Amino acid sequence: AQTVTQSQPEMSVQEAETVTLSCTYDTSESNYYLFWYKQPPSRQMILVIRQEAYKQQNATENRFSVNFQKAAKSFSLKISDSQLGDTAMYFCAFMKPYGQNFVFGPGTRLSVLP
Amino acid sequence: DAGITQSPRYKITETGRQVTLMCHQTWSHSYMFWYRQDLGHGLRLIYYSAAADITDKGEVPDGYVVSRSKTENFPLTLESATRSQTSVYFCASSEAGAANEQFFGPGTRLTVL
Repeated sequence: AQTVTQSQPEMSVQEAETVTLSCTYDTSESNYYLFWYKQPPSRQMILVIRQEAYKQQNATENRFSVNFQKAAKSFSLKISDSQLGDTAMYFCAFMKPYGQNFVFGPGTRLSVLP
Repeated sequence: DAGITQSPRYKITETGRQVTLMCHQTWSHSYMFWYRQDLGHGLRLIYYSAAADITDKGEVPDGYVVSRSKTENFPLTLESATRSQTSVYFCASSEAGAANEQFFGPGTRLTVL
C-alpha cells in the first residue's frame, strides 16, 4: 500500500519570503501522479499543483513549483513571494496510474506572517 | 454554478443514532468520493463510486453505508453513530480518467456525543 509522509506539522514564513514544504511517499509503482492541495481556514480543498511521475520536468503554477525527485520519492512544494492568503493546511497526495483514489499525507499547517 | 454541495454543514447527534450526510454535484462527474478528515491523518477515503449503482470501499469503510442511485447524488449514512466518527466529512467528485482533479465540497462537521 502507498503511504505519504509530511514531516513538518507546522511551518511559518514571513510575507514575501520563500518556503518549501516537504513530502515523501512510498510506492512500488513506476508511474503515478502527485498532487498538492491547499485547505485555507474556510476548509475548502483547492488544487495547487499536479505532477506526473513520468515527466522529468518539475511542474510550476505561478508562485508555486515542485521539486520532484523520483529516485528519492520526494515531492516538495516551493512557494515563492509568500502572501497572507497562502496561510492554510497543505496536503500532499498520491494517485496510482489508472486509479481515481488519493492517498493523502497528514498535512502541513503553513502560517504566513505579516 | 453550484458545483458540489454538502448538507448539512454542521450536525450534532448522539451515540447510536442514524445520520445521513448528503452530497450533490452538478457536473455529471462519473466518480464521487467520501473522505473523513482527522487531525494527524489528513483525509482518508471512506467509500467511492465509479458510476450510478457502483460503489466500493476505501481505507476506512467500517460503520458507514453509501448508495448512488443517481449520478449526481452520493449520500453517506452512519447507521449507528459512534464517538469515533466525530470528524469533518468531505465529498468530492471527478471525471473518469487518470489523474483528474477531484473537486471537493465544503465539508460537514459531525459531532457525535
